[in-house]
Amino acid sequence: AQSVAQPEDQVNVAEGNPLTVKCTYSVSGNPYLFWYVQYPNRGLQFLLKYITGDNLVKGSYGFEAEFNKSQTSFHLKKPSALVSDSALYFCAVRDGDSNYQLIWGAGTKLIIKP
Amino acid sequence: DAGVTQSPTHLIKTRGQQVTLRCSPKSGHDTVSWYQQALGQGPQFIFQYYEEEERQRGNFPDRFSGHQFPNYSSELNVNALLLGDSALYLCASSLEEGSSYNEQFFGPGTRLTVL
Repeated sequence: AQSVAQPEDQVNVAEGNPLTVKCTYSVSGNPYLFWYVQYPNRGLQFLLKYITGDNLVKGSYGFEAEFNKSQTSFHLKKPSALVSDSALYFCAVRDGDSNYQLIWGAGTKLIIKP
Repeated sequence: DAGVTQSPTHLIKTRGQQVTLRCSPKSGHDTVSWYQQALGQGPQFIFQYYEEEERQRGNFPDRFSGHQFPNYSSELNVNALLLGDSALYLCASSLEEGSSYNEQFFGPGTRLTVL
């Protein structure tokens, strides 16, 4: 069965420091991986995705994520955090080409302190 | 370019009632997915519509049904409401071509409260 785990409910980072939000997944086929961000009272916004190719993918707002097949992980990273990055972050996975269902993690609240 | 729109924004119903939520996809998108997001949780896939047909369904009872119109807009219907149906309902649209790896664009959601 497909599943996504975000092991940290909350991550606290000082402004200017690097940040990492963790995600691990379990699928039977090829994983298509996505990161979304949710701001209060706003819809989910797409950040980046991994489909195939280079394991390091770059996305919006300076975020990047590294796909690690052996560890079945897709951690979200940013070299220098901004206070405006504070939000709820979701990792999601789709299992292969013929499966349209996105499976989501429970979310990680990211708090950037000035 | 209008993004995904949903109506209404908020809705309060009582147990046993029926509700209809509406979604207009992003311009140029032809595929609509619906999700339920309970407080403090990630979205749960309800179903996806393409070419006016339900293409895939998540683990939701038959009380949840939907429809897609020729203009690609969509409705989500929930019958015999339960207290546990209280949640944020999200609509997402995408392009069918390359659908497995295309990202989805989300609307702001409809907050449903069942009393």
